[in-house]
Parts: sequence; structure tokens; C-alpha cells
Amino acid sequence: NAGVTQTPKFRILKIGQSMTLQCTQDMNHNYMYWYRQDPGMGLKLIYYSVGAGITDKGEVPNGYNVSRSTTEDFPLRLELAAPSQTSVYFCASGLRTALRDTEAFFGQGTRLTVV
Amino acid sequence: GQQLNQSPQSMFIQEGEDVSMNCTSSSIFNTWLWYKQDPGEGPVLLIALYKAGELTSNGRLTAQFGITRKDSFLNISASIPSDVGIYFCAAGGKLIFGQGTELSVKP
Repeated sequence: NAGVTQTPKFRILKIGQSMTLQCTQDMNHNYMYWYRQDPGMGLKLIYYSVGAGITDKGEVPNGYNVSRSTTEDFPLRLELAAPSQTSVYFCASGLRTALRDTEAFFGQGTRLTVV
Repeated sequence: GQQLNQSPQSMFIQEGEDVSMNCTSSSIFNTWLWYKQDPGEGPVLLIALYKAGELTSNGRLTAQFGITRKDSFLNISASIPSDVGIYFCAAGGKLIFGQGTELSVKP
């Protein structure tokens, strides 16, 4: 079982460039999340999705876009990279039911530097 | 918006000591989760709590879901060096996180 897979693991971007961080899960989870974690800080929710075709903003969505065309994939798009987006990005997925909120499982992260 | 207040922010303890940390919120949640993050890794789920008043153990870790559904506690007994890391509480369908407790254990 692969779990939650994020690619790439590391990336250096120039200011103004665009890129897509990939996230895929093979656990048939309905909920998926993107977080960013700055050095020494906690996790801040960027976007989340409750199922294919449905996404919603978290605490810090500005500068990012997402899509959820399939259950498995939840890519995060940076359109015009800025130094403030230098961070570690984590994708997570979880199964939420009528009885229980999600127990989310995390990928290994993508370390992004914008120069 | 919803916020989780986690304390303490950091702890420096001697190996063998017990550790307690907690999370509080002004919002009610149906689930409380506790995660551990090692350097350079993603958070790993330690304990999940689903019922107010529930007390759940995972080895030396014990967590409780507060009776008001607005708080949760994590205890680590007889700490060892590999307990070092950052511990996070998390809650809700949007899965918001506390600020984390950084634990250092001196052998």
C-alpha cells in the first residue's frame, strides 16, 4: 500500500514561475488536504476537498489553486511563485463518514524554495 | 474561524519523566487526533478519539477526549529519547491543527 504519495520531494523555483505539486492516494479516501508548514511553525490549511469535484478554501488559500477531478488525485497549483511561498507542503487524505471525522494520513512532503 | 490552542509550546524533560500536553478550543468537535512529527517527515497519527470522555492508550501514550468536547489531553509516560519530536493535536472535518508542542528528552 503506497498511502499518500507526493511529488516532487524537493523543488527550487524562480520568482514568477509556476508549478504543480502532485498528490495521490490509493486508500479510496473522500477527504484530501493541502497544508503548508513554515520552519518551526505548525500546519496551515491551504485547501481541502470533500470528494471528487468539490474543493474549498482553508486558512491560507491566496496564491494557490487546486482541483479534484478524481478521488485519488489532488494537485496543488502555484501560478506566480513568490518568496513567501517557500515552505514545506504536505498533502493528507482521510475517510470521513456520517459517524466519524477523518483520521488523516500524510505524505512525506514537498520542500519548495522560491528564489 | 476555528482555532486550537495547544500548550505548552515546548518541553525539556529528563528521560523517564512523564509528559502532559493539552489542546483547547472554543468550538465543539466530534473527533480529536494526536500526531507526532519527526524532523523532515510528515505527521504520523498516534491516537484518534471519537467520544466525549473517552480515554485511549497506545503503548506509553494516553489521550483523553474532554467531556465538553472542546479539549483533549495527551500524556506520555516514562519518556525515552525517541519521543523527541513535535506533537500536534488536530480536530474537525477541516482538520485544523494546534501550534504544536516540541518535546526534548535529555538522556
